[in-house]
Amino acid sequence: GAGVSQTPSNKVTEKGKYVELRCDPISGHTALYWYRQSLGQGPEFLIYFQGTGAADDSGLPNDRFFAVRPEGSVSTLKIQRTERGDSAVYLCASSLTPNYNEQFFGPGTRLTVL
Amino acid sequence: DQQVKQNSPSLSVQEGRISILNCDYTNSMFDYFLWYKKYPAEGPTFLISISSIKDKNEDGRFTVFLNKSAKHLSLHIVPSQPGDSAVYFCAASETGNQFYFGTGTSLTVIP
Repeated sequence: GAGVSQTPSNKVTEKGKYVELRCDPISGHTALYWYRQSLGQGPEFLIYFQGTGAADDSGLPNDRFFAVRPEGSVSTLKIQRTERGDSAVYLCASSLTPNYNEQFFGPGTRLTVL
Repeated sequence: DQQVKQNSPSLSVQEGRISILNCDYTNSMFDYFLWYKKYPAEGPTFLISISSIKDKNEDGRFTVFLNKSAKHLSLHIVPSQPGDSAVYFCAASETGNQFYFGTGTSLTVIP
């Protein structure tokens, strides 16, 4: 399977807890994107990486959200002090290079904050 | 503030007929547009794209039309097939990286 993979597929946590969501992009893809999709909405951009650095993090809703990509491949989205409003499907996508290229999406992680 | 809008949440079409999905946007700086198809429990799958220098792009049964003056985008599927039943999202960008998505249109193709 050469697609984008995301783990876990489902995560249930309690309000106030810390969670980490993982994304494995397609091998060789230099750009990686995180989106959040709430019920009845389209995906909402959070952050994108070019290599190891966050090239645009303007979509992160607040400082409880943080993402890393230390080796330019796998990325982790970290959410501190989770709130019920954080419940959504978190989607990861990768593209061969950034800028006007097709983004390949993973199946998403469904996060539920109780 | 929704910069990309899909005003029809659902659409039903007979197999073999044309499906037309519509999308409107507000940001005149958008210069690249995509359509994605999404099945339940899967991530969106890229379907077709168009840049603002064109007004039409065709790929097999799928054609995207762009009307920049009206800030309107449409996807035509001809002929529609039952396997086309899915949720379709349009997306737009001015940077080629940060995409704004519509809320999706659920297409049902009736055999």
